[in-house]
Amino acid sequence: DGGITQSPKYLFRKEGQNVTLSCEQNLNHDAMYWYRQDPGQGLRLIYYSQIVNDFQKGDIAEGYSVSREKKESFPLTVTSAQKNPTAFYLCATTPRTSGVHNEQFFGPGTRLTVL
Amino acid sequence: GENVEQHPSTLSVQEGDSAVIKCTYSDSASNYFPWYKQELGKGPQLIIDIRSNVGEKKDQRIAVTLNKTAKHFSLHITETQPEDSAVYFCAASNPGSARQLTFGSGTQLTVLP
Repeated sequence: DGGITQSPKYLFRKEGQNVTLSCEQNLNHDAMYWYRQDPGQGLRLIYYSQIVNDFQKGDIAEGYSVSREKKESFPLTVTSAQKNPTAFYLCATTPRTSGVHNEQFFGPGTRLTVL
Repeated sequence: GENVEQHPSTLSVQEGDSAVIKCTYSDSASNYFPWYKQELGKGPQLIIDIRSNVGEKKDQRIAVTLNKTAKHFSLHITETQPEDSAVYFCAASNPGSARQLTFGSGTQLTVLP
């Protein structure tokens, strides 16, 4: 919230379809992150990006892809290769990629359901 | 890499009582420890954080303590209220890690009226 927009809030997808989740920020933050949240498992890192046109895999990147063509945007595509995509997806940002302040700010999330 | 363990996974307290959630971390280089509160269907919100040069920090009814030697830190909520009911996450950050935060698995706190 507060400068981080995720859309849509709810998303339904049929098996075998790719779907793209949007994350936009107007905070001028350098780094952006995608997390997946399943009940009782906390937040698991999918991908992160420290600068435009660069991104790295997190702990559970298989079946997902991202791009960072603009500082403000970090879309996540859930591909048909992701075997169990139903989850709550959270986007986060950090003001800078190094230094003392490492606080992450979170968006409101997108709940993806595969039918 | 960093590993953060959080306990308990669920916690129920009576309104007005105190609640304590504990986390341990593995990387001695970690120097920043935030706590997040997540209400149902929403993104996590930072409620308090502590850095490794401080042993304790307090903000009204919320306090966090850090023991660097033992590599554990705790969240203390006093005079709990029903609106404190939520999922709480701890995290640890190593400034040398590009991925920034590593999160604990979360604690579902329920405050019973």
